[in-house]
Amino acid sequence: QVQLQQPGAELVKPGASVKLSCKASGYTFTSYWMHWVKLRPGQGFEWIGEINPSNGGTNYNEKFKRKATLTVDKSSSTAYMQLSSLTSEDSAVYYCTIDYGSSPFAYWGQGTLVTVSA
Amino acid sequence: DIVMTQSHKFMSTSVGDRVSITCKASQDVSTAVAWYQQKPGQSPKLLIYWASTRHTGVPDRFTGSGSGTDYTLTISSVQAEDLALYYCQQHYSTPRTFGGGTKLEIK
Repeated sequence: QVQLQQPGAELVKPGASVKLSCKASGYTFTSYWMHWVKLRPGQGFEWIGEINPSNGGTNYNEKFKRKATLTVDKSSSTAYMQLSSLTSEDSAVYYCTIDYGSSPFAYWGQGTLVTVSA
Repeated sequence: DIVMTQSHKFMSTSVGDRVSITCKASQDVSTAVAWYQQKPGQSPKLLIYWASTRHTGVPDRFTGSGSGTDYTLTISSVQAEDLALYYCQQHYSTPRTFGGGTKLEIK
């Protein structure tokens, strides 16, 4: 079965960077674009961007172009998102999710709670 | 960016009732609308896509409808386990955008 495994939480200091991971299993990793989504309490969901695991091609939400960098490691079927220059506005749950065939965001990771605090 | 508006942040209903949750897009999204259910402490789950296609394993009490800018998720007979947040999303164009969510409360 399709699984997307994410670490539960990360605590990072303001101004630092963090690299979040999403390990995929149960399907051919290179077949479906991987998306990243941010959820802040009271702010709703925001789509950060997407990456094609087959060739590394990316599309970003303009709002996150200077904040997030998406990469993949095909050898381990893992997608990564690096967030830079972290502030309190970046404290949120970050999910990875895939479009599976014609089904948008059909499978989701459990989410990583990022807390930015000194 | 396309704005998705769910006008009801909360809806209260009883077990067995029929409830409809609405979503309005800021422009025609050609039925490229999905609905997700999120329960406390869980990831969102896809219920409906292309406005009316039920995702694998979703109970048939969940039905989606709509066209143009106006879309509806209907639960025909609410069950206690349907207590959750429901979000609409347009998958017509990037950036994908979500509605603000409707919290379904069971009386």
